[in-house]
Order: sequence, then structure tokens, then C-alpha cells
Amino acid sequence: DGGITQSPKYLFRKEGQNVTLSCEQNLNHDAMYWYRQDPGQGLRLIYYSQIVNDFQKGDIAEGYSVSREKKESFPLTVTSAQKNPTAFYLCASSTYGELFFGSGTQLSVL
Amino acid sequence: DQQVKQNSPSLSVQEGRISILNCDYTNSMFDYFLWYKKYPAEGPTFLISISSIKDKNEDGRFTVFLNKSAKHLSLHIVPSQPGDSAVYFCAASLPQFSSNTGKLIFGQGTTLQVKP
Repeated sequence: DGGITQSPKYLFRKEGQNVTLSCEQNLNHDAMYWYRQDPGQGLRLIYYSQIVNDFQKGDIAEGYSVSREKKESFPLTVTSAQKNPTAFYLCASSTYGELFFGSGTQLSVL
Repeated sequence: DQQVKQNSPSLSVQEGRISILNCDYTNSMFDYFLWYKKYPAEGPTFLISISSIKDKNEDGRFTVFLNKSAKHLSLHIVPSQPGDSAVYFCAASLPQFSSNTGKLIFGQGTTLQVKP
């Protein structure tokens, strides 16, 4: 059963702490993405990767980091430099212009 | 600078009636447009798309219309059903990203409520 798995579903971050959101896909897609959704706003692109070991900054990359060591995996780290991390984070992969999304991770600050 | 705008944050319609969701864009270079549907605490799911070479695309109860001169697209849902209640996002893509990538620019979303 192909799809995109994000974990955890809910995550809490303490001040000054880095946290990592997991994203795994078994769709054999080359491209993967991280989007952030805030209430009343559209999805904004954080980082994307079109091939293993390569990734590019999106529109709001500051305070985030990613890695793409395997085709199936694209973890996102929210660093302490991200001052407003509370949001719903969506991972996606794509083929021919259509995005397939995971079920999201809600990150909140304690 | 919001390149894709959905100016109506919410829309309420009666079951069985038509729902019309609107989207405006500013960049005339966009060549591919998509609509996504999102339930709370879930990821968006693809609904329907349209290429800039077309002005209409239909899939069952869903039809997307594109007016390039007005830089406007709309999603029509007929007839509307309570299960259609969700947030709808329109998205656009530039030519260099249309093939084999999903670098999309999203609108703010419109919350549709279909009342029984």
C-alpha cells in the first residue's frame, strides 16, 4: 500500500530545543517537499529535494534544515533558530506536477 | 507578495446546490493549476487540475474553469454534498516546475461548509 508516512502526529518543542520530523515514502518518487501550514494561510514551501543528496531552500527555509540520504526519506529538523515553529507541517512527494501529501505533524511549543 | 489568492475565507451552501470556489493569480507565467481538498489534521488530497492550454476540465461532480485573460480560476461542485465540507486550496505551477516536480504556490484556502 503506497503512500507517505509522517511521524509523529503531534510533537512538542521546548525552548532552545531542536526537533526532527520524519517523512518516509514508498511511492518511488524522486522529488520530496516540506510545507508549513498556519491558520488562515496557504501552504508555504520550506525545503524541497528533487534527487538524493541534493535539496533546495523554499520560501521560508530560515530556522529549518533537511537531509536526503535516501530516496525514501526526507526528515525535517526545526532548529532553535526558528522563533515561531508552531504550525502544521506537511511532507509531500511528487510525480509529473501532482503532489501527494502525508497526514501531517502538528508541532507546538511548550 | 501573494501570487495566488483565494479571497473568500469561507463559503456555506445547501446540500444539492452548486458550490463555486474562486482563485485569482498574478503571475501570467503559471501554466498548470490544481485544486486540493483538506480535512482537519490531515494532508491535502488532489482533486482536479487544469493546464493553461485548456479553459475547462471536468471530473464527475467537479469542474475547474480557467480564464487566462482575467487570471482567474474557479472550482464548481455540483451537486454539493455534506462530505464535501473541507478546506479547498488552489495551487499554481510555473513551466519549469510543471513536469515531474511539485513546486507549487498555494492560495490561502477556502473553507466550504455544505449544510444538509
